[in-house]
Amino acid sequence: KQEVTQIPAALSVPEGENLVLNCSFTDSAIYNLQWFRQDPGKGLTSLLLIQSSQREQTSGRLNASLDKSSGRSTLYIAASQPGDSATYLCAGLLYTDKLIFGTGTRLQVFP
Amino acid sequence: GAVVSQHPSRVICKSGTSVKIECRSLDFQATTMFWYRQFPKQSLMLMATSNEGSKATYEQGVEKDKFLINHASLTLSTLTVTSAHPEDSSFYICSARSAGDTQYFGPGTRLTVL
Repeated sequence: KQEVTQIPAALSVPEGENLVLNCSFTDSAIYNLQWFRQDPGKGLTSLLLIQSSQREQTSGRLNASLDKSSGRSTLYIAASQPGDSATYLCAGLLYTDKLIFGTGTRLQVFP
Repeated sequence: GAVVSQHPSRVICKSGTSVKIECRSLDFQATTMFWYRQFPKQSLMLMATSNEGSKATYEQGVEKDKFLINHASLTLSTLTVTSAHPEDSSFYICSARSAGDTQYFGPGTRLTVL
């Protein structure tokens, strides 16, 4: 059974810091891996999608990497801003067409 | 980009009543729609997968007679929570995709059962 874990569960940092959020999955048989952002009481915003054949994707200050062999993905946030405060979720798409979500990292960036 | 809407955004109901939540794909045809549930400070858990015109496939532990899913058209799926109880209070999120494409998520529906 695929399990997705995110570390840390919560993170509070001052503005300007570079951050690394971690995601690990137990089964390397994933089709792709996505990172999402969720603001309190809101739906999901897709940030980055990495296909299983890719190693990383970049969008602005965000960079996500994928290492299927070790079952890990990281989301790197450069020069964090208060507006980055949210919960970040990673999710692996199985070949059964199911998205399995991680436990989430609650990020707070203070001025 | 693809847009998925949900209605209502929040609903409060009395215990024992039924509540219907709609999920619509606004600018694409969704061959498959997914329903998730999210409890406070927890992650999303897949409840069921529905393909247009066929019965939904429910995840283990999800009662199909309690959570009725209808996917009657390529742009609309509904989730009906029957005989709702306080423990059904949760955030329900749908997603939709067309064949071979990624899932696009709705904004969610907050259900509170008194």
